Amino acid sequence: NAGVMQNPRHLVRRRGQEARLRCSPMKGHSHVYWYRQLPEEGLKFMVYLQKENIIDESGMPKERFSAEFPKEGPSILRIQQVVRGDSAAYFCASSPPISTGELFFGEGSRLTVL
Amino acid sequence: GENVEQHPSTLSVQEGDSAVIKCTYSDSASNYFPWYKQELGKGPQLIIDIRSNVGEKKDQRIAVTLNKTAKHFSLHITETQPEDSAVYFCAARDSAGGTSYGKLTFGQGTILTVHP
Repeated sequence: NAGVMQNPRHLVRRRGQEARLRCSPMKGHSHVYWYRQLPEEGLKFMVYLQKENIIDESGMPKERFSAEFPKEGPSILRIQQVVRGDSAAYFCASSPPISTGELFFGEGSRLTVL
Repeated sequence: GENVEQHPSTLSVQEGDSAVIKCTYSDSASNYFPWYKQELGKGPQLIIDIRSNVGEKKDQRIAVTLNKTAKHFSLHITETQPEDSAVYFCAARDSAGGTSYGKLTFGQGTILTVHP
């Protein structure tokens, strides 16, 4: 009974490159959330998606960041032209269609921008 | 939107002592308040939660209390053990969208250290 799977666990990029982070939700979960955690800070909401729909992207920077959750395959958080300030841990969480409230988190993807 | 404040940011206790972490929230319509534990290099894991129709909930050494009037909730850990050392986050669920809308707003986190 696999949990939320994120990959890669660690990613190193140089400034200006693109970063793609993947998230496969728990089986039966159709809601995906992306959070960003800067060093020694809390979890900041970025985006909430359901299959093929962005429900809430109020926490997503307007430029360079995009997210998708296609009908088939994992959810992807894409960061174009990365800068040093993008270095952080990016966590994906999922929940079932009728939520009890709990979000189930993955182990995170740690992005380092050189 | 919702705003959650958490205190203290660090907490150091001796093994066997109690630890208390407090949070306040701003949106009076929020109805679900979980607590997550995050160990180094791992993702957050739910340890206990409480809904707005309940004032207190207990699970072994962990308890959570909720004061809706004052809009604050607290985590209590009794008989602390070294393995309780971790970062603890409180959160509140955004009230929009009904049962299918699960967006959580998190506090800033508390680093708990339990000394043997």
